[in-house]
Amino acid sequence: GQNIDQPTEMTATEGAIVQINCTYQTSGFNGLFWYQQHAGEAPTFLSYNVLDGLEEKGRFSSFLSRSKGYSYLLLKELQMKDSASYLCAVRDSNYQLIWGAGTKLIIKP
Amino acid sequence: IAGITQAPTSQILAAGRRMTLRCTQDMRHNAMYWYRQDLGLGLRLIHYSNTAGTTGKGEVPDGYSVSRANTDDFPLTLASAVPSQTSVYFCASSDLYDTGELFFGEGSRLTVL
Repeated sequence: GQNIDQPTEMTATEGAIVQINCTYQTSGFNGLFWYQQHAGEAPTFLSYNVLDGLEEKGRFSSFLSRSKGYSYLLLKELQMKDSASYLCAVRDSNYQLIWGAGTKLIIKP
Repeated sequence: IAGITQAPTSQILAAGRRMTLRCTQDMRHNAMYWYRQDLGLGLRLIHYSNTAGTTGKGEVPDGYSVSRANTDDFPLTLASAVPSQTSVYFCASSDLYDTGELFFGEGSRLTVL
């Protein structure tokens, strides 16, 4: 079966760095997405990785290792507004998205 | 720029009633999707459409139907609502010929009593 694993909840301190991991087992691979979802709102796109390596976008970076079936989202200089759920999703061989259950990130002052 | 519009944003419905959730996009995306999101379960795909005139079943299609008469509209119908269909429903669209990034509507919160 297809599976995406990510931690249920993480806590970090304002100004710090946090890494959210995602491991996947899917039928084929056509890209990995990270989305941010604030409580009561729709998910919004953060990043897309299709090749191995690190993609940096401001305070957020996303890493992919296809051979290990592994990705992480790195958030630097954490701000209170970063408190949200972070969703990992993989596009499989049928170009369908397989979603993880999401990681709820709590930022403390 | 509207993106994706869903209606209604919230609805309370008696069990057994028929309900249609509306979804319209103005980005000319070929693919559209309906997801439900329940606490602890993440996003689950109900139905999808890769192009106007075609639809497919997702992970949890039972009790739901969709149609895709044109590029812009993708309504989701609950023929006879049951309490287990209480959820938040998200419509999304993407361009399958690009990265496939999904653009989401604001969601429809449905409560079935």
